[in-house]
Amino acid sequence: NAGVTQTPKFQVLKTGQSMTLQCAQDMNHEYMSWYRQDPGMGLRLIHYSVGAGITDQGEVPNGYNVSRSTTEDFPLRLLSAAPSQTSVYFCASSPDANYGYTFGSGTRLTVV
Amino acid sequence: QQPVQSPQAVILREGEDAVINCSSSKALYSVHWYRQKHGEAPVFLMILLKGGEQKGHEKISASFNEKKQQSSLYLTASQLSYSGTYFCGTHPRSNYKLTFGKGTLLTVNP
Repeated sequence: NAGVTQTPKFQVLKTGQSMTLQCAQDMNHEYMSWYRQDPGMGLRLIHYSVGAGITDQGEVPNGYNVSRSTTEDFPLRLLSAAPSQTSVYFCASSPDANYGYTFGSGTRLTVV
Repeated sequence: QQPVQSPQAVILREGEDAVINCSSSKALYSVHWYRQKHGEAPVFLMILLKGGEQKGHEKISASFNEKKQQSSLYLTASQLSYSGTYFCGTHPRSNYKLTFGKGTLLTVNP
């Protein structure tokens, strides 16, 4: 069992570039979420999904897109990177609302 | 809207006890607690689903007052390994969003 796998672990982007952060889980979890973590701000929810084909916005969705075509994968797309998107990004998954989330190891993104 | 955690930071000596509080302005379905060590991902500790129900994990337990929308995490006889940042996450009844507080930094010294 690999759990929740995030790639890449580190990434440097130039302002205006686009990229996709990958997230995959092998636990057949229905719920998946993306968070960003900045110093002093805790974990802020970007987008979440409660099953394949179903996504919704979190607290800070601007500048990010998601899709969920399969149960296993939940990629996060940065449309036009900005320095304000410099952060650590975590993907997490859960079987349903009655269970805790398993987090991936994170992607550290720097936008210059 | 993020839940509010208190205190922001606490320093303990090994063997001492601590309480971390979490409150929300929304009616809650559940409260989650996680611990994150520096440079690592958050790790799930426990979930509380019913009002007043306590759950335990090692010497760490928690309570959930559904009517007040509050939860407390109790760490007894703290160990060095308990050091880290503790986050509460709240799941409102109205949707499936799990949002987190800003965290409580717990430092346990020998």
